[in-house]
Amino acid sequence: GENVEQHPSTLSVQEGDSAVIKCTYSDSASNYFPWYKQELGKRPQLIIDIRSNVGEKKDQRIAVTLNKTAKHFSLHITETQPEDSAVYFCASLYYSGYALNFGKGTSLLVTP
Amino acid sequence: SQTIHQWPATLVQPVGSPLSLECTVEGTSNPNLYWYRQAAGRGLQLLFYSVGIGQISSEVPQNLSASRPQDRQFILSSKKLLLSDSGFYLCAWSVSLAGGTGELFFGEGSRLTVL
Repeated sequence: GENVEQHPSTLSVQEGDSAVIKCTYSDSASNYFPWYKQELGKRPQLIIDIRSNVGEKKDQRIAVTLNKTAKHFSLHITETQPEDSAVYFCASLYYSGYALNFGKGTSLLVTP
Repeated sequence: SQTIHQWPATLVQPVGSPLSLECTVEGTSNPNLYWYRQAAGRGLQLLFYSVGIGQISSEVPQNLSASRPQDRQFILSSKKLLLSDSGFYLCAWSVSLAGGTGELFFGEGSRLTVL
């Protein structure tokens, strides 16, 4: 089955700096790549996603890039704020599949 | 609007006891339904998913089982819990799309501690 690797597992940045989280996937037939944010004690929520026919997508301070050839995708957060502190999960979906495969998560800490 | 309810929120059970976690979705029909387990350092592990009543796909062999007795009801069960079953269990739903799934909406989770 699909294997999604995510790194780093922990990331600490100062407020205002950028943060980048990277994921790689194994199955070239995967075509949907969402990112979820889970704040402490809360449920994961979708923050941005990208499909395989797009190379980059932006939403205010967050962006996702996809390199299909290399089979990796990344989350970029600019001008980080303390409220960005959370665990971020990447995921991939196999073409015509029904269930997302998640990475192990990155714990992001933004210090004032 | 759609909502998802999951209960109980916390559960402490002895080894060997049974388990039943329940999840219901409101405001939508024929959703895809999922059970994930979240353990420290292991991310979100898919346990079961269902694309329709009575249709269950298992991703991880274990002593857990799932059932979907009604369109918007998903139940996670075990006859005899193991210590390794401890974790945070998340139910989720998504709109059923041709050729796959869309955004997952998670419940608030059930924290299970097996002693």
